Amino acid sequence: DTEVTQTPKHLVMGMTNKKSLKCEQHMGHRAMYWYKQKAKKPPELMFVYSYEKLSINESVPSRFSPECPNSSLLNLHLHALQPEDSALYLCASSQGLAEETQYFGPGTRLLVL
Amino acid sequence: RKEVEQDPGPFNVPEGATVAFNCTYSNSASQSFFWYRQDCRKEPKLLMSVYSSGNEDGRFTAQLNRASQYISLLIRDSKLSDSATYLCVVNWAGNQFYFGTGTSLTVIP
Repeated sequence: DTEVTQTPKHLVMGMTNKKSLKCEQHMGHRAMYWYKQKAKKPPELMFVYSYEKLSINESVPSRFSPECPNSSLLNLHLHALQPEDSALYLCASSQGLAEETQYFGPGTRLLVL
Repeated sequence: RKEVEQDPGPFNVPEGATVAFNCTYSNSASQSFFWYRQDCRKEPKLLMSVYSSGNEDGRFTAQLNRASQYISLLIRDSKLSDSATYLCVVNWAGNQFYFGTGTSLTVIP
């Protein structure tokens, strides 16, 4: 099973809302990632968790707050987003070793009004 | 300078054609290399890892040239279903993966 699941598939929110994106994998992977992808652009790394600890934060604004409750789950809490934050948010996981492959979830398509 | 660079295309080729994509990377300490494909409004999916000795999977062949710091992907006998964006991905800093801008391929009947 090489599946990464994400919920919700689509999300529309206002700039004052608080919402959360969820990601889950049951492959025993120890590294999990959040990416943001705008149309016709490659994914941009936001956060990396390794062994449930935040290891990389690519200077992401504080209105995005990641959380890793356990080794299978990764959340992204959203608060006071801007319209320019509208994008596809992709979660990925990898075994945890540098040379290992990343597997992506289907993404959450977010629209901020 | 970007860490990973690709020709964005678009590449428009007829069915049955052979097409090649190149990707260059800036860090000579890079450890692992991948080609992903991404269909419109879908997530990236692993196409193949790229090994130093080169590797082949059916109609797809990937090559790595460490001396020149580039990787390539060759697609033979193109099918309509090969139409997608092909992303070059390089890893050199632990769990940090660097994506190229992607190359758009359209296979025309």
